[in-house]
Amino acid sequence: DAGVIQSPRHEVTEMGQEVTLRCKPISGHNSLFWYRQTMMRGLELLIYFNNNVPIDDSGMPEDRFSAKMPNASFSTLKIQPSEPRDSAVYFCASSPGGRSDTEAFFGQGTRLTVV
Amino acid sequence: KQEVTQIPAALSVPEGENLVLNCSFTDSAIYNLQWFRQDPGKGLTSLLLIQSSQREQTSGRLNASLDKSSGRSTLYIAASQPGDSATYLCAVNSGGYQKVTFGTGTKLQVIP
Repeated sequence: DAGVIQSPRHEVTEMGQEVTLRCKPISGHNSLFWYRQTMMRGLELLIYFNNNVPIDDSGMPEDRFSAKMPNASFSTLKIQPSEPRDSAVYFCASSPGGRSDTEAFFGQGTRLTVV
Repeated sequence: KQEVTQIPAALSVPEGENLVLNCSFTDSAIYNLQWFRQDPGKGLTSLLLIQSSQREQTSGRLNASLDKSSGRSTLYIAASQPGDSATYLCAVNSGGYQKVTFGTGTKLQVIP
């Protein structure tokens, strides 16, 4: 398996524009997580899905952020409208899920810059 | 709410030295704890996963221990090498759906 695949790797956009980040989890994994990493706050869990269903989105910073998982092999994180303070590295991770003793596997991340 | 702290925030050691990275957490009701490595501009690579019922895990020159009652884990790196230079993160899983809280990381530099 190629691991968790995220696209794009880098995104530069202007304030106010819509940004969509994409993630393909490892095949067979049924838990998916979106994280944001900044220098100030470190890694923060934004939302996680189990079997394509959002379980906890309490980490989503505000209504400008939304995430979907239409099927087991694809998820998106959308920011609309984007703001400079959204600049960060966004990671997607997946795990086999269903059990509490499984480890998470991370993608390479998407570095977002909002100017 | 689980809080995870890593000390020190940065560490610089000469090559060949043995070293210990520390991770502490506030809620001892955890499922597992995972140590990751992050290289600059890269994603996270899983190093070791310790289940709540385990005391330690070993992989090569790495040894991770877990003391749930005191809310602590350590990552021991033996005979450090320049290639070990990276940021090391611990992540505590305290939710049944893999709700994970990350520490702030320790940035390690091994000097040749």
